Amino acid sequence: DGGITQSPKYLFRKEGQNVTLSCEQNLNHDAMYWYRQDPGQGLRLIYYSQIVNDFQKGDIAEGYSVSREKKESFPLTVTSAQKNPTAFYLCASPGGTGELFFGEGSRLTVL
Amino acid sequence: SQQGEEDPQALSIQEGENATMNCSYKTSINNLQWYRQNSGRGLVHLILIRSNEREKHSGRLRVTLDTSKKSSSLLITASRAADTASYFCASPPRNAGGTSYGKLTFGQGTILTVHP
Repeated sequence: DGGITQSPKYLFRKEGQNVTLSCEQNLNHDAMYWYRQDPGQGLRLIYYSQIVNDFQKGDIAEGYSVSREKKESFPLTVTSAQKNPTAFYLCASPGGTGELFFGEGSRLTVL
Repeated sequence: SQQGEEDPQALSIQEGENATMNCSYKTSINNLQWYRQNSGRGLVHLILIRSNEREKHSGRLRVTLDTSKKSSSLLITASRAADTASYFCASPPRNAGGTSYGKLTFGQGTILTVHP
């Protein structure tokens, strides 16, 4: 089945460590997005990529980095510069009429 | 800044009752979308209503849009315990085109609890 796969589902990080969240899609979509969700909050855009080898910062890009070497993959690295990284991270890709298809999310906890 | 703000923040009803959630937004939109999120899961797209539409139906869902009041509502009829989830409204930038459709601004959501 087509969709977006995120891994790992749960991730723990010690302070000072970088961690990378995986996002893979088999929808053959050009664009991919990373959102962050804090408890009781809506989603905020971190980074997005409209095409391979290109990406743009969203509203809260500080402390994060991404790459887009393949159409299918858009990994997100949470760096040690991100001061409050504990959150639920969601990867998504837009369909032809503008609706977003989401992965199941990755929950990152800083120990 | 929040484009969409949902009201109420939480709603608790009995199975079989209708649930109405409201969303207000600040700037002009091309479309407004509603999503559902079960606890600890990803979001699922429910329905999209364009700025030139006033009402749209999908199964037990009914969405209305009032662009003069910059508001939308989501009605779930004959609710079921399985409808328990958070519901979000979201909209793309007015000048969104192509793949920038995905730059949605989300509200904080309404938590719906349906008691069996």
